[in-house]
Amino acid sequence: EIVLTQSPGTLSLSPGERATLSCRASQSVSSSYLAWYQQKPGQAPRLLIYGASSRATGIPDRFSGSGSGTDFTLTISRLEPEDFAVYYCQQYGSSSGITFGQGTRLEIK
Amino acid sequence: QMQLVQSGAEVKKTGSSVKVSCKASGYTFTYRYLHWVRQAPGQALEWMGWITPFNGNTNYAQKFQDRVTITRDRSMSTAYMELSSLRSEDTAMYYCAITTGTTPEDYFDYWGQGTLVTVSS
Repeated sequence: EIVLTQSPGTLSLSPGERATLSCRASQSVSSSYLAWYQQKPGQAPRLLIYGASSRATGIPDRFSGSGSGTDFTLTISRLEPEDFAVYYCQQYGSSSGITFGQGTRLEIK
Repeated sequence: QMQLVQSGAEVKKTGSSVKVSCKASGYTFTYRYLHWVRQAPGQALEWMGWITPFNGNTNYAQKFQDRVTITRDRSMSTAYMELSSLRSEDTAMYYCAITTGTTPEDYFDYWGQGTLVTVSS
């Protein structure tokens, strides 16, 4: 299976700053079948990005995704207070199944 | 609007089984693949498997192959996930989620609210 490694484990930033989250795959993710989710305490995950760079319906344009192959990035251009949460990447392009990264916790500095 | 509503929290004994339901509404149940994902306390998301509601075909993650069964009742627009031989490590929030594409391996655009399963001796 494809293993996804997210970094950093925790990111401490202030509102208004730029956040850059990384997701690295153990092998190439075909056709950029990579998604990003946001999860807040006590809630189900929320889809942010699919196809590595396409924003889901209703997602603000401060969220953007990029990358291909084995290296992917989620960028939040200017952090809002509601953006502090845990973020997961997910790959869905492998016949061996769907896998998630271990998550990056974005906390207020 | 599309919605997935799951059954309530469960407390189970080690070695027993649990069956969690996921009732779909707001879309045609047979048109979307339905998956189960779990999350142990403070841990990452873990994919368990999917079902094709149209014909009942399933695919399970290798880790759960021997212990999980996903079924559906088309008349009730409801899917079920049964996990057997429970151990303490199965204590987790269990989510159902649906994908939007024409293949089962896809991203999840709608999620259920989660069902907490607690396993103790």
